[in-house]
Amino acid sequence: GAGVSQTPSNKVTEKGKYVELRCDPISGHTALYWYRQSLGQGPEFLIYFQGTGAADDSGLPNDRFFAVRPEGSVSTLKIQRTERGDSAVYLCASSLSGLTSGDTQYFGPGTRLTVL
Amino acid sequence: KQEVTQIPAALSVPEGENLVLNCSFTDSAIYNLQWFRQDPGKGLTSLLLIQSSQREQTSGRLNASLDKSSGRSTLYIAASQPGDSATYLCAGPIRDYKLSFGAGTTVTVRA
Repeated sequence: GAGVSQTPSNKVTEKGKYVELRCDPISGHTALYWYRQSLGQGPEFLIYFQGTGAADDSGLPNDRFFAVRPEGSVSTLKIQRTERGDSAVYLCASSLSGLTSGDTQYFGPGTRLTVL
Repeated sequence: KQEVTQIPAALSVPEGENLVLNCSFTDSAIYNLQWFRQDPGKGLTSLLLIQSSQREQTSGRLNASLDKSSGRSTLYIAASQPGDSATYLCAGPIRDYKLSFGAGTTVTVRA
């Protein structure tokens, strides 16, 4: 079946602009996660959705970052007033429930964001 | 906060040799331990998940062990092939869903 998809695959923007990154999880997965991966590092957790609600947004670096999942499937990560330090690969993952120790997270290919 | 360390950062081996990748974590209250593969410019592919009550998992040429008491996991790849060249990451959540990743080990298998 279809895996996690993310659009766009690449996004180049100018400092100060607003960007939206989209994630389509695997159908039927109630849990959705956003991570950010800087060059040479492992991904870092940003936010976790259980259904439509953000159950944990403790990884969002500041209030310029916001994410929504209004219907419990597709999610959008929104970044306002982008800064060069926001440049990274933004990864989305989904899992069946997020509530059990055997719950594997399946990752999308990521969106590479470059802020000039 | 869970700290995850992977050693070595890079590894180069001739084809056919067995690979041993190490992962250590600071919080033994780990919920599970996952190993991922990442190809250049790509997302992560889950290879193996070891639940906290388990000691190892196997899939084909891959075997992963988990020792919570010592805070270590090891991924073994038998009879390596050039197609195994990638970055391998381990990740472990504490008690729940929030994965804490190591920086990865970049493997090159020479033909």
